[in-house]
Amino acid sequence: EAQVTQNPRYLITVTGKKLTVTCSQNMNHEYMSWYRQDPGLGLRQIYYSMNVEVTDKGDVPEGYKVSRKEKRNFPLILESPSPNQTSLYFCASSYRGVAYGYTFGSGTRLTVV
Amino acid sequence: EDQVTQSPEALRLQEGESSSLNCSYTVSGLRGLFWYRQDPGKGPEFLFTLYSAGEEKEKERLKATLTKKESFLHITAPKPEDSATYLCAVHQGAQKLVFGQGTRLTINP
Repeated sequence: EAQVTQNPRYLITVTGKKLTVTCSQNMNHEYMSWYRQDPGLGLRQIYYSMNVEVTDKGDVPEGYKVSRKEKRNFPLILESPSPNQTSLYFCASSYRGVAYGYTFGSGTRLTVV
Repeated sequence: EDQVTQSPEALRLQEGESSSLNCSYTVSGLRGLFWYRQDPGKGPEFLFTLYSAGEEKEKERLKATLTKKESFLHITAPKPEDSATYLCAVHQGAQKLVFGQGTRLTINP
């Protein structure tokens, strides 16, 4: 089944403790992206990647890092999480870019205390 | 500033009662307008892409239309399983989508 898999689904952590949210897709998509979804603010793009070793900032990149060492994987790294990063995070992939329509993962609900 | 505004925020209909959701946008150089459906606890699911004014796309009970300033998602004779949040997004430039805040649709049996 074609899908985007995120892990974990739920995570509670403490301020300052580094964490990684994994994202993997099995569709051989070139484009991958991370979004966060907050009440009243909608979906906002954090980072995106056009292909292996090619990444760029979205609208809200502060406090996040990404890497794209393999085509299928696009992990989101929070080096020193803070409470304002408490959110619902989605990874998405697309054949070649946003114009082709995203396939989203099921989401990761992160709470930073 | 580029903006995407959806209305209403929430809409409650009876089964079979047709209606429309609105997405208005102010984007210079629209490269595409997208509709997604999001069920509670899940990621958004792609529905349609529209590229130019006058274009229409249909899928089951849903039809999306596009003008130069807005898009409508028409729902004909909805069923309870059409209940979801519907998100509109515009392709702004480079590789960026700007999402609206969504319309939460509830269809009562």
